[in-house]
Amino acid sequence: QVQLQESGPGLVKPSETLSLTCTVSGGSIISSDYYWGWIRQPPGKGLEWVGTIYYSGSTYYHPSLNGRLAMSVDTSRNQFSLKLSSVSAADTAVYFCARTRVYPTTAGNNYFFDTWGQGTLVTVSS
Amino acid sequence: QSVLTQPPSTSGTPGQRVTISCSGSSSNIKINTVTWYQQLPGTAPKLLIYSTNQRPSGVPDRFSGSKSGTSASLAISGLQSEDEADYYCAAWDDRLDGLYVFGTGTKVTVL
Repeated sequence: QVQLQESGPGLVKPSETLSLTCTVSGGSIISSDYYWGWIRQPPGKGLEWVGTIYYSGSTYYHPSLNGRLAMSVDTSRNQFSLKLSSVSAADTAVYFCARTRVYPTTAGNNYFFDTWGQGTLVTVSS
Repeated sequence: QSVLTQPPSTSGTPGQRVTISCSGSSSNIKINTVTWYQQLPGTAPKLLIYSTNQRPSGVPDRFSGSKSGTSASLAISGLQSEDEADYYCAAWDDRLDGLYVFGTGTKVTVL
């Protein structure tokens, strides 16, 4: 049974870069069936998709974060990572990593997160 | 901000049936499948419904999903105390280069 675990600093200063890693266990990150994604949730608020990466390195980012966001994958360590630059208080959130299923159907694109990490709180503050 | 609109809250007594609506548009719900997530307090979201009306293994058949046009719905029949949680709809949106959008979330309270 695949499990995901986020890791990284819990406190980042404004204007600096937020870096998080998600370690996948119980399954390989190299899979034609899955993508790997990040979702965040500001305290007391709803969910926001951040971005998704395939094991080959193909990336898909939320348009509002384009230019600040970079995702990467390390297949040798079975990990994928997120770097968000020039952060502000608005980037304070619980960040979740998740395994993603993406495939077309006759009913449209099927896209969902079927396994989630527990989440890690990142606070942006001086 | 979210492009899928849900009611902020709903409630019911044990055994009742409650429904949660999710209003979208022609670029998301109308042309792509809908997903529903359940988030219990202090925990990560859990996949509840995928492909608009499919339940993952382990999800009780009390939960069902549907959609019509640009709107989707989640129904919980035989409401139980452990169903008290936040529920989010979501779908792929074909605007721009594409993005995944979540609903605003609905808090379900079991009275």
